Amino acid sequence: AQSVSQHNHHVILSEAASLELGCNYSYGGTVNLFWYVQYPGQHLQLLLKYFSGDPLVKGIKGFEAEFIKSKFSFNLRKPSVQWSDTAEYFCAVNAPGGFKTIFGAGTRLFVKA
Amino acid sequence: EAQVTQNPRYLITVTGKKLTVTCSQNMNHEYMSWYRQDPGLGLRQIYYSMNVEVTDKGDVPEGYKVSRKEKRNFPLILESPSPNQTSLYFCASSRGGDGYTFGSGTRLTVV
Repeated sequence: AQSVSQHNHHVILSEAASLELGCNYSYGGTVNLFWYVQYPGQHLQLLLKYFSGDPLVKGIKGFEAEFIKSKFSFNLRKPSVQWSDTAEYFCAVNAPGGFKTIFGAGTRLFVKA
Repeated sequence: EAQVTQNPRYLITVTGKKLTVTCSQNMNHEYMSWYRQDPGLGLRQIYYSMNVEVTDKGDVPEGYKVSRKEKRNFPLILESPSPNQTSLYFCASSRGGDGYTFGSGTRLTVV
C-alpha cells in the first residue's frame, strides 16, 4: 500500500540550530513530492515541491529538501531555524498527473527562543 | 486574491443532524479534495474530484458525501453526523497533480 512515513513526531530545537526532518515514502513508480507547513491555528501552506530534475529543491523561508530515489526519501532541511519556524510539517506524495495525494502524519517542530 | 474559501470555520452540531460544509475556489482548478486532520494521523483524504461531475472516494469516505456541479464549488455533506466525525476538515484545490492550495479549515464538533 502507498504510504508516507515521517520518523519524528516531535522535534525541539534552539534558535540557530540546524534542522533535518525525515520523510520516506512507499509508492510504485515516478512520484511528485511535497512539504507543507502548518503554523499554529492556520491552514497548510506549500513549502516546496519536487517533480523532476535537480534532486535538491529550494523552497520558501530558507527551506530545502533532497530527493534520494534509492532511499525513497525526501528529507527537509534548514541550516538555521528561527522561533517563527515553530509549526507542524507534513510530507506528501502523489503520482505525476495523479489526483490522490497521501500525507505523512506530520512532525511538530518547536523552536526555543 | 487566489484562495480556497470554506464555511463555516467552526461548527458544533448534534448527532444525526445533517450538515454541509461549503468550499469554493477562485483559481479555476480542476482538482478539489477534502481531508480530515486528526492528531497523530495527519491528513486523510475523504473524497476528491477531478472535474465537474467527476468524484471518487479517498481513504475515509464512510459517512460523507460530496458533489461537484460547478467547477468552483465542492461541498462536503454529512447526512447523519456521528461523534467520530469530530475533526478538523480542510478543502484543497490544485491544477492537476501540482501542489495544493488549502482552505482555512472547518473545526467540527459532533455531540
